[in-house]
Amino acid sequence: GQQVMQIPQYQHVQEGEDFTTYCNSSTTLSNIQWYKQRPGGHPVFLIQLVKSGEVKKQKRLTFQFGEAKKNSSLHITATQTTDVGTYFCAGPSSNQFYFGTGTSLTVIP
Amino acid sequence: EPEVTQTPSHQVTQMGQEVILRCVPISNHLYFYWYRQILGQKVEFLVSFYNNEISEKSEIFDDQFSVERPDGSNFTLKIRSTKLEDSAMYFCATPTRGTDTQYFGPGTRLTVL
Repeated sequence: GQQVMQIPQYQHVQEGEDFTTYCNSSTTLSNIQWYKQRPGGHPVFLIQLVKSGEVKKQKRLTFQFGEAKKNSSLHITATQTTDVGTYFCAGPSSNQFYFGTGTSLTVIP
Repeated sequence: EPEVTQTPSHQVTQMGQEVILRCVPISNHLYFYWYRQILGQKVEFLVSFYNNEISEKSEIFDDQFSVERPDGSNFTLKIRSTKLEDSAMYFCATPTRGTDTQYFGPGTRLTVL
């Protein structure tokens, strides 16, 4: 079956440092979505990328969709303690939804 | 953000018992999803439900599971005979109109003893 892997699994950064998580799908995706889950919370939609090579920015967050539409990345510039949580990529396939394995971000003040 | 509510927030049950988890999605939405998240792990797709029928289901969604929309608004996930490994957070989600981006409910934490 389809697999969506993310690296790293965990990341600890000092506040102010940058952070990147990488997402790789075993199959081509029609679109890629990113979600953030705070500890004890539910996944919250961040952004959707549709086009090959697409780049989108949300303030300090930069999202990229690979040319082959099989990988994606999320980069956070100058992390803040409010960035703490687990970041998941996700993609639809045949009316199913495949979430990545997630990257748990800890920001040390 | 559109609202999806789930009840109960926490359910404790004995192994072998039946549980029913409830979701009240955004009104007039026809497409719903159920997901499971075992503690510390990724979100796993269980089933999608469109216009009162199962649209797609994963390997996890075996005969022990069923979904219904009993009264046109609530959306339920039933586990007939719970096992220890069913302990997890269960999330209901619905997509925004015209997209497949998911709005999640707050989840129900199921603990099977």
